[in-house]
Amino acid sequence: DIQMTQSPSTLFASIGDTVSINCRASQSVSDWVAWFQQKPGKVPKLLIYRASSLEGGIPSRFGGSGFGTDFTLTINSLQPEDFATYYCQQYSFYSGTFGEGTKVEIK
Amino acid sequence: QVQLVQSGAEVKRPGASVKVSCKTSGYTFSDYDITWVRQAPGQGLEWMGWMSPISDNANYAQKFQGRVTMTKSASMRTAYMEVTGLRSDDAAIYYCALSYRTSSGYNPLTYWGQGTPVSVSS
Repeated sequence: DIQMTQSPSTLFASIGDTVSINCRASQSVSDWVAWFQQKPGKVPKLLIYRASSLEGGIPSRFGGSGFGTDFTLTINSLQPEDFATYYCQQYSFYSGTFGEGTKVEIK
Repeated sequence: QVQLVQSGAEVKRPGASVKVSCKTSGYTFSDYDITWVRQAPGQGLEWMGWMSPISDNANYAQKFQGRVTMTKSASMRTAYMEVTGLRSDDAAIYYCALSYRTSSGYNPLTYWGQGTPVSVSS
């Protein structure tokens, strides 16, 4: 199984900050990477797919980049509703490993 | 609109089996693959496996092979996921999720069920 290593595990930030979350695949997954946001007690929500494509209805302050093994989720001008846990996922070869998650907390 | 409604919470003894259902509506059943994901209390998301809606094709994460079976009833528009030999570390919320099927590439998990909590305790 392909492994996804996500960092950092926790990130402290303030409203208005720009933050980045990284994800590294154990082998190339092309650009078959998605990013999800999950709030406590809620179902995960798709933000980004194909590494950099924004899902419909998601604010443009969310952005994704990367190809092969290294991927980044960037959130510009952090808003109060963005404090949550974020997961990367590779979805190639009919498998779908998730990263361990990054909790974005208020500084 | 697309809806996935999962079966209710389960409480099981160690060694027992559990079968979770995921009833779908609002789309053509053959258009979306079905994936199962679980989340242990306070932990991250764990991909369990994927199933085709139109064939018996399925792919399970290595750690679940032999202990998890994913099936479906197209006529009932329902997917099922069974875990046998339950252990305490199988306690989790189990989610079904859909990804659109295409012949050229892969697609992300776009729609999710509400989750089914499974407790395992003696």
